[in-house]
Amino acid sequence: EAQVTQNPRYLITVTGKKLTVTCSQNMNHEYMSWYRQDPGLGLRQIYYSMNVEVTDKGDVPEGYKVSRKEKRNFPLILESPSPNQTSLYFCASSLSGGGNYGYTFGSGTRLTVV
Amino acid sequence: KQEVTQIPAALSVPEGENLVLNCSFTDSAIYNLQWFRQDPGKGLTSLLLIQSSQREQTSGRLNASLDKSSGRSTLYIAASQPGDSATYLCAVPGRGYNKLIFGAGTRLAVHP
Repeated sequence: EAQVTQNPRYLITVTGKKLTVTCSQNMNHEYMSWYRQDPGLGLRQIYYSMNVEVTDKGDVPEGYKVSRKEKRNFPLILESPSPNQTSLYFCASSLSGGGNYGYTFGSGTRLTVV
Repeated sequence: KQEVTQIPAALSVPEGENLVLNCSFTDSAIYNLQWFRQDPGKGLTSLLLIQSSQREQTSGRLNASLDKSSGRSTLYIAASQPGDSATYLCAVPGRGYNKLIFGAGTRLAVHP
């Protein structure tokens, strides 16, 4: 089944403790991206990657890092999480960037930073 | 700057009704428009993708139309069921086409 897989689904952590949220897609998509969803603010893009080793900032990149060493994986790294990063996170992929193709989203990761 | 608006913000209907959800966008230079469904606290499920060259797409009881010139799309749900209760989001590629711009969504409740 074609899908985007995120792990973990739920995570509670403490301020300052580094964490990684993994994202993997099995569709050989070139483009991958991370969004966060917050009440009243909707979905906002954090980072995106047009292909392996090509990443760029989205609208809200502060406090996050990403890497794209392999085509299928696009992990989101929070080096020093803070409570304002409590949110619902989504990974997405598309056949390529440029807006020509539809997006497939993962099931989400609910992160709570205390 | 592309902006996406969805009307109504919330809708509560009895089972069996036919529904129309509206989505409007300010910049008509889009490649496509995508409709998603989101259950509370869950992921985004793609429902329909309409390319700019198409006027509509159908999947089961769902039909989405696109009028680029007027900056509008509608999602028609036929014979609504309680299982259709969810938030429906529309999205278009943003400037530079490296992200999606989402509307705020329509929260639908279908009661038996």
